[in-house]
Amino acid sequence: DQQVKQNSPSLSVQEGRISILNCDYTNSMFDYFLWYKKYPAEGPTFLISISSIKDKNEDGRFTVFLNKSAKHLSLHIVPSQPGDSAVYFCAAEKTGYALNFGKGTSLLVTP
Amino acid sequence: EPEVTQTPSHQVTQMGQEVILRCVPISNHLYFYWYRQILGQKVEFLVSFYNNEISEKSEIFDDQFSVERPDGSNFTLKIRSTKLEDSAMYFCASSTDRGNQPQHFGDGTRLSIL
Repeated sequence: DQQVKQNSPSLSVQEGRISILNCDYTNSMFDYFLWYKKYPAEGPTFLISISSIKDKNEDGRFTVFLNKSAKHLSLHIVPSQPGDSAVYFCAAEKTGYALNFGKGTSLLVTP
Repeated sequence: EPEVTQTPSHQVTQMGQEVILRCVPISNHLYFYWYRQILGQKVEFLVSFYNNEISEKSEIFDDQFSVERPDGSNFTLKIRSTKLEDSAMYFCASSTDRGNQPQHFGDGTRLSIL
């Protein structure tokens, strides 16, 4: 039961360029969406979130876009830095219920 | 910055034995969660806990699992009789509220069942 899908298992981007990570969801009841970043041997670290009443949220180099009609969200990282290399998880919830995670996208930012 | 702490970082247990995983959530958080991630798979929800009660649980969280907040700071996950398929990373998380607030995760306990 994959309610949250990250179809790209990996992505490689040059330092300074834009990284775009994509996520699709199937449950139209989801109303809160999050991106987490994970390094090996660590837990997921919260990065940025967006409520379904918005279509964009920005925090420094990170911007999340939500397209409710397409049930799609994306994370933009500009400019990308080598320290951004990690696995990025998309997650979604219906308010008050469990977080549903995607399988993750491994981002590699090369110098 | 406040963080969720989990102990131990790695637990090795014989099949059939009981195991207790421990978590100290962020101090002003009221909602507590356990998730697990089997190697190569996605992070899966197990259970949420609020006001000393389970508020939601998944199909994974069967009678072999239990959670407890034995004091004002700890939050534990017990597996009564471990199976090989319980081998996974177990993550504890906490949040200030339920919904529209991010959950903050610990670094996990790697549980290996032999």
